[in-house]
Parts: sequence; C-alpha cells; structure tokens
Amino acid sequence: GEDVEQSLFLSVREGDSSVINCTYTDSSSTYLYWYKQEPGAGLQLLTYIFSNMDMKQDQRLTVLLNKKDKHLSLRIADTQTGDSAIYFCAEEEVNTDKLIFGTGTRLQVFP
Amino acid sequence: DAGVIQSPRHEVTEMGQEVTLRCKPISGHNSLFWYRQTMMRGLELLIYFNNNVPIDDSGMPEDRFSAKMPNASFSTLKIQPSEPRDSAVYFCASSPRTVRNEKLFFGSGTQLSVL
Repeated sequence: GEDVEQSLFLSVREGDSSVINCTYTDSSSTYLYWYKQEPGAGLQLLTYIFSNMDMKQDQRLTVLLNKKDKHLSLRIADTQTGDSAIYFCAEEEVNTDKLIFGTGTRLQVFP
Repeated sequence: DAGVIQSPRHEVTEMGQEVTLRCKPISGHNSLFWYRQTMMRGLELLIYFNNNVPIDDSGMPEDRFSAKMPNASFSTLKIQPSEPRDSAVYFCASSPRTVRNEKLFFGSGTQLSVL
C-alpha cells in the first residue's frame, strides 16, 4: 500500500530557510499536498503541486517535486517563529478521495 | 462559513464507557472523513463517507468503533466500550470533492482521554 515518510523534527533559526522533505510511494498520484498543523488545531492546506510540475512557488513557500525519486520537499524562506508547527506531506490515493498522510515533521523556529 | 465543527473539544472518560464524537461538515461538501492522530501512528484515516454513504471503513480499528452520517450536515463516531488505547485526537474533515486542489478542510479535533 501507499506509504509517505518524513523526518520527525527540524530546528532552524529565525530568518533562515527551512527545508522539509518527504518521500512517497504511489507514482500515479495526481496531486501532492503540504498541510500545516498548529498546536491545538486541525490541519490546514498550505499548498499543493500537480504531478506534472517540478516546482511551484507561492510567496515564501517553494515546493519541489522529483517524480523519478518520488521525493517532495517544502522550502520556507525567511522562516519566522509563527512557522513553528507540524508539517504533513500527503499523497492522493488514485481513484479515491483518500489522502495518505506522512507522520509529520515538527518544525521548531528559535530566535 | 464556520468551517468544520467538532464537539466536544475535550472528552475524558473511564474505560468501558461509551463515547460519542460529533461533526458538522461545511455546508455543500460531499465527502466527510474521520481521522485519528496519535504520537505513535500519526494520522490514520478511520472511515470516509461520500454523499452520506460509508465508502471505506477499512481503517476502523475494531467493532468497538462505529460511524454514522444520517444526513449531509451531521456525523458521529462512537466508541463502545472505550479503552485507554483509544486515547487520541480525533479529527473530522470534509471536502467538496469537485475542487481537488482544496481537498480537505479539518475541524479542530476532539482530544479523547480514556482513563
């Protein structure tokens, strides 16, 4: 079955860039997603990328997709303390409405 | 729109008791999902509905868990009897389904503690 893997923790200094990595297994996924979860809240969609794209930029966020290696990354430029949260990568299970989530990467931003 | 509304926000109960979690999806959304989040297993899909019909309940851990969606604006997840290992945050999410790049909208979750 599908499996999505992420590293569990990332710690960066305020103002630096953060790069959160993800590997997935279903090469036929049409969309891949990044969700953000702040403490005590549900997940919120940050951005997504269509599988025929290599890169997508949205303000401070850059998503890179390497379909050959099934590797997805999220880069946050000029990381702020408000970016501290858990970031989930998700792939879409083909022909269903299901999203398969990774374990989440806890990003901690320190001054 | 108020978003996906879950109740209660927190539930503390004793082992063996029945627990009912409630969810009101966003109006007009066709699909509804129940997820469970724990430190050990991350975010697990328990069941999802499309147009009020259960489509996939393969993630429901065992017969103690049941979910219903009697109408388009309400769903429940019931655990009977509850056990300490059911302690987790339970999320409900809804989706318009036709707008794929928006996918899921999550509620704030119910933090369940079974003592």
